[in-house]
Order: sequence, then C-alpha cells, then structure tokens
Amino acid sequence: SYALTQPPSVSVSPGQTATITCSGENLERKNTCWYQQRPGHSPVLLIYQDTKRPSGIPERFSASKSGSTTTLTITDTQALDEADYYCQTWDYITMIFGGGSKLTVL
Amino acid sequence: QVLLVQSGTEVKKPGDSVKVSCKTSGYSFEAFAMYWVRQAPGRGLEWVGWINPANGNTRQSQKVQGRLTLRSDTAANMAYMELSGLRGEDTAVYYCARDSILPGGGMDVWGQGTTVTVSS
Repeated sequence: SYALTQPPSVSVSPGQTATITCSGENLERKNTCWYQQRPGHSPVLLIYQDTKRPSGIPERFSASKSGSTTTLTITDTQALDEADYYCQTWDYITMIFGGGSKLTVL
Repeated sequence: QVLLVQSGTEVKKPGDSVKVSCKTSGYSFEAFAMYWVRQAPGRGLEWVGWINPANGNTRQSQKVQGRLTLRSDTAANMAYMELSGLRGEDTAVYYCARDSILPGGGMDVWGQGTTVTVSS
C-alpha cells in the first residue's frame, strides 16, 4: 500500500529555519498538503496544491517539491511553531497521511 | 464564519456501535465534501472516510470498510459517522473536516474532535 515517509522529529533553534521532508513513490504526480497540529488541538491546513498557502497562514510557512519529495520550510521559527506536522496526498481514492514529524523549538 | 461542531465524548464496549455528529454552519453544506479522520492516542492522523452531501456518495478506508456508515442531513446541515463492531483499536479522536473544494486543496476547516474510547 502507498506510504508517505516523514522524519519522526526535527529540532530547530528559535529564529532559524526548519525543514521537514515527506517522500512517496511518484509523489511528483500527486497533489500534496501540509497540516500543523499543536498539542491538544485540531489540525490546521498550512499548504495545499503542493505550494499554496490558505489565507491567514504566515508567509514564514512555505513548501516545495522536487521529484518524489515535498519539503515544508518554516523560516524565523518561533516557539509557537512547536507542533506535529503531517503531509497528505491521495492514492487513487484513498487519502494518505505521512506519519507526522514533531518539531521541537529548542 | 465557517464552523464544524462535533458531538461529545463517547465510551463504548467492544462490539458496540458509536455515532458521531458534525454540525456545520457558515457555508453551503451541500457544496463541500466532508471527510472523517481519526487519531489514536499518541499516533498520527488516519483517514476514515468521505461523504458528498449533495448526493450521499461515500468512500471509506479498507480498515473500517463494512463497519462504517456515513450520512448527511442537508436540511439540518449535519454530517454523521457511525462505526459498528467497535474494537480497542478504534479508540481515537474522530474529526470531521471540510473539503476545500479545490483539486488537491486539502481539508480547510476541522471540527474540534470527538473522543471515542472502546474498553471493556
């Protein structure tokens, strides 16, 4: 079955840039989204259609795709960015989530 | 303001059924598909199913197929998820989430989540 692979954890210092990767077979042919989930809260859509930001999402959050890997980049990382981040795509009619990456702001 | 408000916490025994509701407001209910996503304690997000309120068409994950019923009530602007034959591994927070309508647009509005605990 189709799978998306993310690193379980990523650490970054405040003010630095964090990158979280998500890989999957033929991902270059699929639309991808990213979600942020703060502890105890519902997920929030950060990125859709690979690189687009919904209104209200800060410009510090961006995404890019190269081959079978999509990368979420958070610039000027702040303490409030500490959360779990999930990538998501579709495999035919099945929605697939990555396993999630816990971002720690040290 | 678009809102999805879900029903409250449920505690069930193995073999029971559970029904979770999702009350929507602030948008045209029939115009957007509704997804259901769950999250087991300490685990990641898992897609459960999808319903098109306009025509009642549904899709569901293989893991819950045969046990999941998704419904929509267009008069009340509500979506429902019913899961039968509950097992311990169904213990999770269940979310309803609105489809953004754009191709590859993701889920742009989420409910607050409903905790379902299955325990003998």
